[in-house]
Amino acid sequence: DAGVIQSPRHEVTEMGQEVTLRCKPISGHDYLFWYRQTMMRGLELLIYFNNNVPIDDSGMPEDRFSAKMPNASFSTLKIQPSEPRDSAVYFCASSLATDTYNEQFFGPGTRLTVL
Amino acid sequence: AQSVAQPEDQVNVAEGNPLTVKCTYSVSGNPYLFWYVQYPNRGLQFLLKYITGDNLVKGSYGFEAEFNKSQTSFHLKKPSALVSDSALYFCAVRDHLSGNTPLVFGKGTRLSVIA
Repeated sequence: DAGVIQSPRHEVTEMGQEVTLRCKPISGHDYLFWYRQTMMRGLELLIYFNNNVPIDDSGMPEDRFSAKMPNASFSTLKIQPSEPRDSAVYFCASSLATDTYNEQFFGPGTRLTVL
Repeated sequence: AQSVAQPEDQVNVAEGNPLTVKCTYSVSGNPYLFWYVQYPNRGLQFLLKYITGDNLVKGSYGFEAEFNKSQTSFHLKKPSALVSDSALYFCAVRDHLSGNTPLVFGKGTRLSVIA
């Protein structure tokens, strides 16, 4: 398996622009997580899905952030409009519900820079 | 509520010396405990986990961790550090009573191994 795939790996944009981050989970995994990592706040859980349904989005910082999972193999995290304070590394992770221990597998991340 | 604490932001150790990265946790039931490692510009990689059984767990790259229920700790150890072990280390926990909920991550400890 190729593991969790994220694109793009790097994104540089200007304040006010829309940004879309993409994630393909490991085939067969039914949980998908979006995290944000910054030096100041560490690793933050933004939202997670089970069987394509959002379960908990309490970590989403503002209405500017939205996430979708239209099918089992694809998810997006959108920021509109973007702001410099959104600059961070965004990780996607997936896991298998039947794995009692819920080990999570992480993608390589998208480094977002908002100028 | 579940929580995990990594009391040290930074750990410095000389190459060849033993290393310890500390982690303490809080859960209501029995814990499932994990260590992940993040190398520069990479996603988090699984190192090892404790579910039940032997308190000493062995993982990848010569790392091990000791589960101590009375001290609610799960410290990561390695007998002889390598420069290549320099990375960011995350401890994570999930309560076995919490169902399929995301892992709760600590803020991370940066390990620097000096030649």
